[in-house]
Amino acid sequence: EVQLVESGGGLVQPGGSLRLSCAGSGFIFSSYFMSWVRQAPGKGLEWMANIKQDGSEKNYVDSVKGRLTISRDNAKSSLYLQMDSLRVEDTAVYYCARDISSNSDAFDIWGRGTRVTVSS
Amino acid sequence: DIQMTQSPSSVSASVGDRVTITCRASQGIASWLAWYQHKPGKAPKLLIYAASTLQTGVPSRFSGSGSGTDFALTITSLQPEDFATYYCQQAYTFPLTFGGGTKVEVK
Repeated sequence: EVQLVESGGGLVQPGGSLRLSCAGSGFIFSSYFMSWVRQAPGKGLEWMANIKQDGSEKNYVDSVKGRLTISRDNAKSSLYLQMDSLRVEDTAVYYCARDISSNSDAFDIWGRGTRVTVSS
Repeated sequence: DIQMTQSPSSVSASVGDRVTITCRASQGIASWLAWYQHKPGKAPKLLIYAASTLQTGVPSRFSGSGSGTDFALTITSLQPEDFATYYCQQAYTFPLTFGGGTKVEVK
C-alpha cells in the first residue's frame, strides 16, 4: 500500500525548534517531488515547501523562509521539516504530500498529519 | 502570489443534489488546477488534476471544468460520503496556493 506517515509533532514554546519526519512506503520515494502542507486550526490548507527528487531544488512560501528547512533522505524514504524560531501562528496540523508526477504539483498521496502546537 | 478564491464558502445540500463549487485565480493558470476533498482527521484526497482529469479511483459523479482563471467542481447526485470540505489548488507557479475551502453540509 502506498502511504505516507508523519511524526515528530508536539507542544513547543515560542522560539523553539521541532523536526518533523515523514516516512514513505509502497512506492519509489526517490522518484517524486515531495511537499509539506499545513492547516492551522479553523483555517484552510497552506503549502509550505517542496523538494526535488534528489534534493537539489527547494521552494518555500515566503512566510517561512529562513525558519523552516525541508530535506530528504532517499535511502530511508523519508522527508523532513526542520522548524526553527517557531511562532504561535505556526500551530497547525502538518501534512506531507507526494507530487502526482514530475510535471505537476498536484498531490496524489497525503499523510494523515502530525499536530504542532506552539504555546507558552 | 496567485490568490485562489472559492465560492461559496459553504453549501447546504441533500443526498442526490447536484453541487457546483467555483474557484477563481487572480491571474491565468492555464489548466494547472487541482481539487481535493478533506474530511476532519483524515488525509486530503485528490479528486481532479489538470482542471478536468479525474484521479484514478474517484467516482465519475465528480467532474472538473475551466481554464485560465475560472474553474468549477461539480458533484452530480451527492452521496452521503461526499459531505466534506473541498479545496482548489493552483499548480502553476510557486508558491503553490489553495482556495479557502467550501464546506458541503447536510441540509
